[in-house]
Amino acid sequence: DSGVTQTPKHLITATGQRVTLRCSPRSGDLSVYWYQQSLDQGLQFLIQYYNGEERAKGNILERFSAQQFPDLHSELNLSSLELGDSALYFCASSGPLAGDYNEQFFGPGTRLTVL
Amino acid sequence: QQQVKQSPQSLIVQKGGISIINCAYENTAFDYFPWYQQFPGKGPALLIAIRPDVSEKKEGRFTISFNKSAKQFSLHIMDSQPGDSATYFCAANWGAQKLVFGQGTRLTINP
Repeated sequence: DSGVTQTPKHLITATGQRVTLRCSPRSGDLSVYWYQQSLDQGLQFLIQYYNGEERAKGNILERFSAQQFPDLHSELNLSSLELGDSALYFCASSGPLAGDYNEQFFGPGTRLTVL
Repeated sequence: QQQVKQSPQSLIVQKGGISIINCAYENTAFDYFPWYQQFPGKGPALLIAIRPDVSEKKEGRFTISFNKSAKQFSLHIMDSQPGDSATYFCAANWGAQKLVFGQGTRLTINP
């Protein structure tokens, strides 16, 4: 168990809909990262937050947005969903209490299926 | 320059054999090279990591070999066991930045 929690575990929705994925980082971790894993694209970085502020953006679509709250949990919002958005979405966290500040610990993921 | 190239895509090894997975990178700013292990339906789990100031790091049956001049690093799994069957990802980053992942290697250990 990495200490990173994600909810829900599975999400099935229809095209055009909007969903919210939630992540709670490991206790003490300030950074949260979101990654998308699809069969043909591998693990792709979406966005990073550090202590409530956006730190870096990857190949995140304009239909997607995220935020990190004062209690450090993060939410990834996906809107106007398309079939191609079906994927596993992982949250990872890292922080100053880790033995190595580069270490990122991944949650169990949310499997999104868009029908 | 941001890419990390991983090979092979899939690998079958007999129980007790040595599994070797290779990765190459371009960005010389990378200073942290982890390997992640992922089982079906689970999140990637950090297996072992290395920094470029050492050429090798060993943890149990897992060893990372690092060649800074060639910009390559590899994972060796000694005495491979069926329980090692999983997908392995190499990655790289610098600072507390995003991880750049290789494409993954599906490893199967035959009993």
